[in-house]
Amino acid sequence: DSGVTQTPKHLITATGQRVTLRCSPRSGDLSVYWYQQSLDQGLQFLIQYYNGEERAKGNILERFSAQQFPDLHSELNLSSLELGDSALYFCASSVDMAGVGNEQFFGPGTRLTVL
Amino acid sequence: SQKIEQNSEALNIQEGKTATLTCNYTNYSPAYLQWYRQDPGRGPVFLLLIRENEKEKRKERLKVTFDTTLKQSLFHITASQPADSATYLCALVGYGGSQGNLIFGKGTKLSVKP
Repeated sequence: DSGVTQTPKHLITATGQRVTLRCSPRSGDLSVYWYQQSLDQGLQFLIQYYNGEERAKGNILERFSAQQFPDLHSELNLSSLELGDSALYFCASSVDMAGVGNEQFFGPGTRLTVL
Repeated sequence: SQKIEQNSEALNIQEGKTATLTCNYTNYSPAYLQWYRQDPGRGPVFLLLIRENEKEKRKERLKVTFDTTLKQSLFHITASQPADSATYLCALVGYGGSQGNLIFGKGTKLSVKP
């Protein structure tokens, strides 16, 4: 158990809908990262927050947004969903910002299926 | 653009042998390289980190090498066991800012047969 929790575990929805994925980092970790993993693309970095502020963006679509709250939990919002958004979404956390070599602790993931 | 390649999608070996996985990268100057293990349906788990000025790192049966000239890392599991069967991901970390985030390879699925 990494100490990172994600809810829900599974999510099935229809095209055009909006969903929210939730992540609670390990106690004491200030950085939260979101990743998307699909069979053909592998694990892709989406966005990072550090202590409530956005620090870096990766391959995140404009239809997706995220935020980190004062209690450090984070939410990833996916809107106008398309079939291609079906994937595993992972949250990870680390003590410090990326770039200092800290290991990242990954949550169990949310499996999103868009029908 | 930055590219990371793990040499094979799958590797099958016999129990007790040494598994060697390769990670090559192009158009990137990483500060660190990390290796993760991922079991089906689960999140990746950190295994080892090696810095650009380190040639080799060991942890129990695991050994990682990092050659910045060849732009390659090798990941070895000695005396492999069926429990080592999993997908292994290499990830690069650049210097600060947005380059400080992990860029992952697609992974190599290792199967260790008894």
